[in-house]
Amino acid sequence: GAVVSQHPSWVICKSGTSVKIECRSLDFQATTMFWYRQFPKQSLMLMATSNEGSKATYEQGVEKDKFLINHASLTLSTLTVTSAHPEDSSFYICSARAPTFDEQYFGPGTRLTVT
Amino acid sequence: SQQGEEDPQALSIQEGENATMNCSYKTSINNLQWYRQNSGRGLVHLILIRSNEREKHSGRLRVTLDTSKKSSSLLITASRAADTASYFCATETGTYKYIFGTGTRLKVLA
Repeated sequence: GAVVSQHPSWVICKSGTSVKIECRSLDFQATTMFWYRQFPKQSLMLMATSNEGSKATYEQGVEKDKFLINHASLTLSTLTVTSAHPEDSSFYICSARAPTFDEQYFGPGTRLTVT
Repeated sequence: SQQGEEDPQALSIQEGENATMNCSYKTSINNLQWYRQNSGRGLVHLILIRSNEREKHSGRLRVTLDTSKKSSSLLITASRAADTASYFCATETGTYKYIFGTGTRLKVLA
């Protein structure tokens, strides 16, 4: 099956700093990637959709200036959490799909802790 | 906003028993998928059912879909302690975006 990786798997950063999370499709070209956030014991909430070479589309209520998404190639999308605050601490999961796929393939997630 | 509502929110059963969890959604869908998530881990894809399908099986899993009622159910038969996890449904409405349900936390007691 298709494989999606995320890096790092966990990160701790100080309040006010920025942190970048990478999402890679390892064995297919992902025309579309998605970013989700999951708080403890809650479901996944879609944050944004990114298409290769174009600007990301953010869901209502998600601050685009705070969560910068770049989908610069067909195998890589990045999410940068800028000026992180403790309330940004969460589990961030990406997924990717190709036009020939019925489904999205999910990465293993990145746990962000902001102190 | 979340599209899917799942019930029960939590379920505790004995090993060997069957577990049933339900998902309801609000708008027309192209397909519905079920995922498992172990605590603090990524998602494991279980099964995809398309809007023109009514039932699918995969090993000990049985999924039904009733588009008239906008609902789906996941049945796990002969449960095992290793089935302990959270289970989520996710609907795709034609925009390739997935909307996840609220999830059911299943605990299987050995």
